[in-house]
Amino acid sequence: SQQGEEDPQALSIQEGENATMNCSYKTSINNLQWYRQNSGRGLVHLILIRSNEREKHSGRLRVTLDTSKKSSSLLITASRAADTASYFCARHYTGGGNKLTFGTGTQLKVEL
Amino acid sequence: GAGVSQTPSNKVTEKGKYVELRCDPISGHTALYWYRQSLGQGPEFLIYFQGTGAADDSGLPNDRFFAVRPEGSVSTLKIQRTERGDSAVYLCASSLALAGGPSSYNEQFFGPGTRLTVL
Repeated sequence: SQQGEEDPQALSIQEGENATMNCSYKTSINNLQWYRQNSGRGLVHLILIRSNEREKHSGRLRVTLDTSKKSSSLLITASRAADTASYFCARHYTGGGNKLTFGTGTQLKVEL
Repeated sequence: GAGVSQTPSNKVTEKGKYVELRCDPISGHTALYWYRQSLGQGPEFLIYFQGTGAADDSGLPNDRFFAVRPEGSVSTLKIQRTERGDSAVYLCASSLALAGGPSSYNEQFFGPGTRLTVL
């Protein structure tokens, strides 16, 4: 079963606007990662944030982690139509080996 | 360099048949993972190999599912007596060997997946 979820399930915005997606988890993590997926295939790794980090940036992406609330958020600034995709949060739980636990994802649609 | 490759890209089979799905990991990656993704869901862990041995097969749904990695490189996921509920995209990923310890992690690189349809 999948522990924790992303929200919203779907998000529709205009090009140029910012998109924020949230992820929650239930037990201790080593790190948390965000992936993008187009057309139900090909997971692309976006960014990894470790449990002792609070914020990371990569280009137009900003990820925050609040371990006290067991939550993370992904912010995409100045969105483009090409950002249209599903975004998944993957949790690497402590003591869970190297496996990742994914949520159900957020479907982002960026309209022109 | 070459990424993770999976074959076939699509597989259509009939209920009750046997299927094999293949994964070629990135050269030098000793860890290999299988995930399954149903429509509208995120990937769900099935099994993970460290070298030739299955280090964690806790995600395999039942004994119809089996995976091998005899030489520590290519892996085959085998599904016996397929059911319509097995229809999904099967994703393979690979990573470098783990350094060890409960917090050890190496980035996983995913292949494009095999879309399995059981009629």
